Amino acid sequence: DQQVKQNSPSLSVQEGRISILNCDYTNSMFDYFLWYKKYPAEGPTFLISISSIKDKNEDGRFTVFLNKSAKHLSLHIVPSQPGDSAVYFCAALNYGGSQGNLIFGKGTKLSVKP
Amino acid sequence: KAGVTQTPRYLIKTRGQQVTLSCSPISGHRSVSWYQQTPGQGLQFLFEYFSETQRNKGNFPGRFSGRQFSNSRSEMNVSTLELGDSALYLCASKGQNNEKLFFGSGTQLSVL
Repeated sequence: DQQVKQNSPSLSVQEGRISILNCDYTNSMFDYFLWYKKYPAEGPTFLISISSIKDKNEDGRFTVFLNKSAKHLSLHIVPSQPGDSAVYFCAALNYGGSQGNLIFGKGTKLSVKP
Repeated sequence: KAGVTQTPRYLIKTRGQQVTLSCSPISGHRSVSWYQQTPGQGLQFLFEYFSETQRNKGNFPGRFSGRQFSNSRSEMNVSTLELGDSALYLCASKGQNNEKLFFGSGTQLSVL
């Protein structure tokens, strides 16, 4: 059973427009969420995170929104740039639980076209 | 500060062989986690080591094992390799009271 789901395997947007990547989770014990970005042949790099006590966190062009009641989070990239083309992974964690490892979704491949 | 270092970068093995992958965490990080990435499956958690002890384990068969040394370096071993073990194996470290993982570039394992 997948606890973290990214239902869109791919997304294509025009440069300058908004990219919205979505993530759903099933475990209500998750209380910390992260987004990672991965280029081919490289390891994932941390992008932005959000604690369950917040519903929004912003860092430059990147904003993460959390809707706890819907068990849904989204990553907004505005404006999108060609260099943002990568695979984006959503990850979740039960910070206070014994299972301290990050659970990742399957990723969404973002293509930003010039 | 040097990042997470994984060796080797690429590896080709045949079915039935065994393989050992190495990971050096960021200096000062005592937690090392291993993940397997296959196309369409995302990153699947293998195990986490902290202070030379396995702290968490994912749902992988016993052919997958690991260990951590006193300097926090970690190794992962896969015995009796199967074709389905072909994947990118990623190592990540994290500091204390920080849930952000820092990943290495991975070891791309191909089993023929």
